[in-house]
Amino acid sequence: DQQVKQNSPSLSVQEGRISILNCDYTNSMFDYFLWYKKYPAEGPTFLISISSIKDKNEDGRFTVFLNKSAKHLSLHIVPSQPGDSAVYFCAASALSGTASKLTFGTGTRLQVTL
Amino acid sequence: DGGITQSPKYLFRKEGQNVTLSCEQNLNHDAMYWYRQDPGQGLRLIYYSQIVNDFQKGDIAEGYSVSREKKESFPLTVTSAQKNPTAFYLCASSIGRYTQYFGPGTRLTVL
Repeated sequence: DQQVKQNSPSLSVQEGRISILNCDYTNSMFDYFLWYKKYPAEGPTFLISISSIKDKNEDGRFTVFLNKSAKHLSLHIVPSQPGDSAVYFCAASALSGTASKLTFGTGTRLQVTL
Repeated sequence: DGGITQSPKYLFRKEGQNVTLSCEQNLNHDAMYWYRQDPGQGLRLIYYSQIVNDFQKGDIAEGYSVSREKKESFPLTVTSAQKNPTAFYLCASSIGRYTQYFGPGTRLTVL
């Protein structure tokens, strides 16, 4: 039972355009969402997060949107740059004591072309 | 430099052997985690620890064991009971329940 889904395994975008990566979740107990960027054979790097009490969070070129009623979030990258080419993972958090158990999607490989 | 270190980067093991993966952090984070990544899949939680001398099973704990004797260290042992141990293993830490920061990972290959 996959609780966090990234239905697009790959996405190709031209440099300077907007990249939109999507993520759906099924567990209504999730209350904190994160996006990570990952290069092969490296650990994920945190990009941006959003609490379930918000519907938008922005950090430079990165914006995350959350639609709780649709159980959907998206990551917008504007403008896209070649260095953004990587695999992007969506993760959702449910509180467990004082730690958080992250559930990850399967990732979307973004390729930014010149 | 504050961060999370994992060693070794590559590890080879013969079938039937136990092997221990190291994870150290100097971020003063209370919580630490172990994940496993297989090709084409997301990360799956193996074990996590909220404080020293305490840890809980994640979603795929069978065949693994951990210890948390020091705040800075959270080693993972892959035992011979783990049926398919070849994978990329990632350690993470966090302050409380918020953002987790990851180490560079260890690729384990069973020969």
